[in-house]
Amino acid sequence: GDSVTQMEGPVTLSEEAFLTINCTYTATGYPSLFWYVQYPGEGLQLLLKATKADDKGSNKGFEATYRKETTSFHLEKGSVQVSDSAVYFCALSDQTGANNLFFGTGTRLTVIP
Amino acid sequence: DTEVTQTPKHLVMGMTNKKSLKCEQHMGHRAMYWYKQKAKKPPELMFVYSYEKLSINESVPSRFSPECPNSSLLNLHLHALQPEDSALYLCASSRIRDKQNIQYFGAGTRLSVL
Repeated sequence: GDSVTQMEGPVTLSEEAFLTINCTYTATGYPSLFWYVQYPGEGLQLLLKATKADDKGSNKGFEATYRKETTSFHLEKGSVQVSDSAVYFCALSDQTGANNLFFGTGTRLTVIP
Repeated sequence: DTEVTQTPKHLVMGMTNKKSLKCEQHMGHRAMYWYKQKAKKPPELMFVYSYEKLSINESVPSRFSPECPNSSLLNLHLHALQPEDSALYLCASSRIRDKQNIQYFGAGTRLSVL
């Protein structure tokens, strides 16, 4: 079945450091891929998305590229800020029409000044 | 407007209480979802409504009773809950048959069962 494997956390970085959070997926067909972010005490917000191979999603300085050959969708940011501290979830949508989302386990990022 | 509004934000209830969680969206989405999220875990799907009809029930205990009175509203009725039901309950909505399947989430209701 469809699934998402996400880099275990927690991740602690200094401000302005480079961020990579790994995400790989298993799916039949051509899923859409997402990164959601959850700030402390809040719900999930869509951070970025990609719907087909080689698409690059980007938002707020974060980027991720849909790599079909490696079944990956790694999240990157060149220079993190304290305000980026949150939990990041990789997710895929299975395109069956049931609109199901499969989430990774989440990666907690803490950025220290 | 991409807002999903959930009320209340916090709820404390005893095991004999009956309470309801409410979710509202005005994006014209015809798919609405309830998720349960425990601490340090991803959201777990509970129910899906499509065109106001229950389409998915992920083997959720009957003490959770969803209701979709119209295309903008989704309720979750709670009765005789257990302490292990304490969690963040998230509502989401999306377009039906949306190739991108973008789900928009509310801020959640943090439920504590005593």
